[in-house]
Amino acid sequence: KAGVTQTPRYLIKTRGQQVTLSCSPISGHRSVSWYQQTPGQGLQFLFEYFSETQRNKGNFPGRFSGRQFSNSRSEMNVSTLELGDSALYLCASSQDPGTSGYNEQFFGPGTRLTVL
Amino acid sequence: QKEVEQNSGPLSVPEGAIASLNCTYSDRVSQSFFWYRQYSGKSPELIMSIYSNGDKEDGRFTAQLNKASQYVSLLIRDSQPSDSATYLCAVNPNDYKLSFGAGTTVTVRA
Repeated sequence: KAGVTQTPRYLIKTRGQQVTLSCSPISGHRSVSWYQQTPGQGLQFLFEYFSETQRNKGNFPGRFSGRQFSNSRSEMNVSTLELGDSALYLCASSQDPGTSGYNEQFFGPGTRLTVL
Repeated sequence: QKEVEQNSGPLSVPEGAIASLNCTYSDRVSQSFFWYRQYSGKSPELIMSIYSNGDKEDGRFTAQLNKASQYVSLLIRDSQPSDSATYLCAVNPNDYKLSFGAGTTVTVRA
């Protein structure tokens, strides 16, 4: 099975611009989660989608948004970019066997975003 | 209080030794626990998952879970230079997300 794929792998933007990142989950996985990783804050949860519905959202400003399509592919968008948004953005997919918590998540390679 | 705390590193161990990594979590309702390995410049890779109290072994890795103490650990036996990486403890408190610790960087000395 192919793993989680993310595009683009690298992005350079300037402050005030917006950016859209894309994630394709492992075939058969219906849950997609997004995380931001920075040296100072570590891995922080952004949001999770299942069947095109956002089920949980982390503590990030409204500039961060996402969506999921009917084929489980997901996108996240960051508007009005700030210098502090420079980070590795990671997408993870899982099969989501209900709410039992048995929710192994597999990460994609990430998108490295640099905001100048 | 942080949701997930890991023992501060870096941890340096000689080749062939046991590396011991510890993690505590704050949410008592957490049901599933994971260890990820992250090489520099790469994304996290799932290496162990554990859901019940006790030990779970997979090759040179052993995960230990004690829900009463809210504690999970990872032992790496016969450490190899290829084990040099940052190890992330992750906890799923049943709300569709993983909470991660800050990670412990392990260096295996040849």
